Order: sequence, then C-alpha cells, then structure tokens
Amino acid sequence: GDSVTQTEGQVALSEEDFLTIHCNYSASGYPALFWYVQYPGEGPQFLFRASRDKEKGSSRGFEATYDKGTTSFHLRKASVQESDSAVYYCALGYMNYNQGKLIFGQGTKLSIKP
Amino acid sequence: AQTIHQWPVAEIKAVGSPLSLGCTIKGKSSPNLYWYWQATGGTLQQLFYSITVGQVESVVQLNLSASRPKDDQFILSTEKLLLSHSGFYLCAWKRDWGYEQYFGPGTRLTVL
Repeated sequence: GDSVTQTEGQVALSEEDFLTIHCNYSASGYPALFWYVQYPGEGPQFLFRASRDKEKGSSRGFEATYDKGTTSFHLRKASVQESDSAVYYCALGYMNYNQGKLIFGQGTKLSIKP
Repeated sequence: AQTIHQWPVAEIKAVGSPLSLGCTIKGKSSPNLYWYWQATGGTLQQLFYSITVGQVESVVQLNLSASRPKDDQFILSTEKLLLSHSGFYLCAWKRDWGYEQYFGPGTRLTVL
C-alpha cells in the first residue's frame, strides 16, 4: 500500500538556521503531496501542496519540490524562527473527488531555540 | 469564510461508557467530511468519510461509527468505549473538487 516516511522524528535548531525535513513516499499511482503543520493542542493546518513532478509548493517561507524520480517532497526553509516550532506532517493523496483519502507520515517535531 | 467547530473540546470517560463527538461546518454547502484519530504523539489516521447527507464510509474499523444527519454536521459515536479509544479526534472538510483537507480544532478524549 501507499506510505509516507519522514526520516527525522525530531529536529532541534537555532533561530535563523536552515531547515530541511525529509519526506519520501511510496505510491502505486501518481499522488498529490502535502505538508501540514500542527501546533500543540490544535488541528493540523494545511501549508501547501504539489500535484505533479517538479512542481514547487510554498507558503510562509517554507517550500518543497515534488520529485517523482527520487519519490521525495522535502520541506525546506532558509531561516527558521521560534514561532516555527511545531510538528510537521508530510502526506499524500489522490485526486479522488469523493474519498479524499490522505496518508500521513509519522511527523517531525521541530524545536527552535531563541 | 468557512469555519469548523468540534464539540466537546475534551472528554474524560469510563471504559464501557458511550460516546458522541460532533463536528459542524459553516460557510460551505455540501462539503466532503472526514473523521481522523491521532494517538498522543502519533500520526493521523482517517476513520470515516462522507460525501453527502446520510452516507458514511468506513476506512478503519475501531469499534466506532459515524453518521451525517445534516449537510453541515458529522457525528462520531460508540456504545462502548475501550481504553484504546483515547486520543485526539479531528474532523476535516474538503471541497468536492479539491485536494486539500482543512481540520477542526479537535476533541481530546481520555478513557479511564
């Protein structure tokens, strides 16, 4: 079955550091890829998506490029801030108008030291 | 703008007791609706989805059931809670022609 793997369970950085969170997927079809962010005690917030090879998604300074060759969708940010501390989830889903099934990775907890 | 509301915010229940959680969407007609479960510190698992009133499909069997009595309402319930039901329950909606889902604030359930 389809799956999403996030390599890092936790990432600890200082403000203004460069961020990379790795996301790889395994899919039988041609899915769309997503990043969500979840703050403590809240529901996940949609960050952005990409739906085709080489497409770049971006929002709030975060970006990721859909790479079908390496089956990856790594999240990057040039300069993190303390307010970026949260759990980040990579997910995949299909352009299915009805079910809209999303498969999430295990999440990466990002901690930023001021 | 669309808003999504979940109730209650939190519940503490005894094993074997019944449960009913609710979700309401305002500002969007005929949304696709979803229930997710998240164990503490874990990932999100889709439980049910509904594309129209009265129709609900199960994705994962966890001794839970769901119903959609109104276009803007989605209910998650069980007659008998298990310890394993503890966690964070999230409702989400999607446009029928869209990809991304938008989540509600969640309900924290503790089963003792």
